[in-house]
Amino acid sequence: AQSVTQPDIHITVSEGASLELRCNYSYGATPYLFWYVQSPGQGLQLLLKYFSGDTLVQGIKGFEAEFKRSQSSFNLRKPSVHWSDAAEYFCASSNTGKLIFGQGTTLQVKP
Amino acid sequence: DTGVSQDPRHKITKRGQNVTFRCDPISEHNRLYWYRQTLGQGPEFLTYFQNEAQLEKSRLLSDRFSAERPKGSFSTLEIQRTEQGDSAMYLCASTGMGRAYNEQFFGPGTRLTVL
Repeated sequence: AQSVTQPDIHITVSEGASLELRCNYSYGATPYLFWYVQSPGQGLQLLLKYFSGDTLVQGIKGFEAEFKRSQSSFNLRKPSVHWSDAAEYFCASSNTGKLIFGQGTTLQVKP
Repeated sequence: DTGVSQDPRHKITKRGQNVTFRCDPISEHNRLYWYRQTLGQGPEFLTYFQNEAQLEKSRLLSDRFSAERPKGSFSTLEIQRTEQGDSAMYLCASTGMGRAYNEQFFGPGTRLTVL
């Protein structure tokens, strides 16, 4: 069955430091992959997605993600974190349209 | 267009009562999804509609849950005889075209608390 794993439940980084959030998917074929962000009281917002082509995907707010088929991974990165990036981040996959989400990673940003 | 809206934003009810939530998708989006999110977890798929047809239901959707999209526009999700385990955030999302890589636009959710 299709599944998504986010190994890190909680991550704390200093403002200005780089960030990498891990995501692993489990599926026979390459699914479509997404990263969403959820701020308190807000709906989920799409940061970026991968469905084919270049394995390095650029998204909004300075985020990027790299698809690595050999590692079944789709890690999210940002070179310099801002305090406003503190939120919950969800990796998701899809092959039929419905999204399968990981359990999320809470990002805390220290001043 | 103002995006996906959900009503109410919060609902507190007593165990055994029925509740109904409404979702208004982005106009002309033909696919509408319902998800449930419990504390500390990612959203879980419940069901989805293509226009007015309900095409898939998760095993999470027990007989107490029913969803409709009568005219292919707004959708309702009803929970009968609520239980404390139904307490969660209920999220609605919509998308056009129905391709699996299309972005789903999420509403703010309805937070249900069952006492």
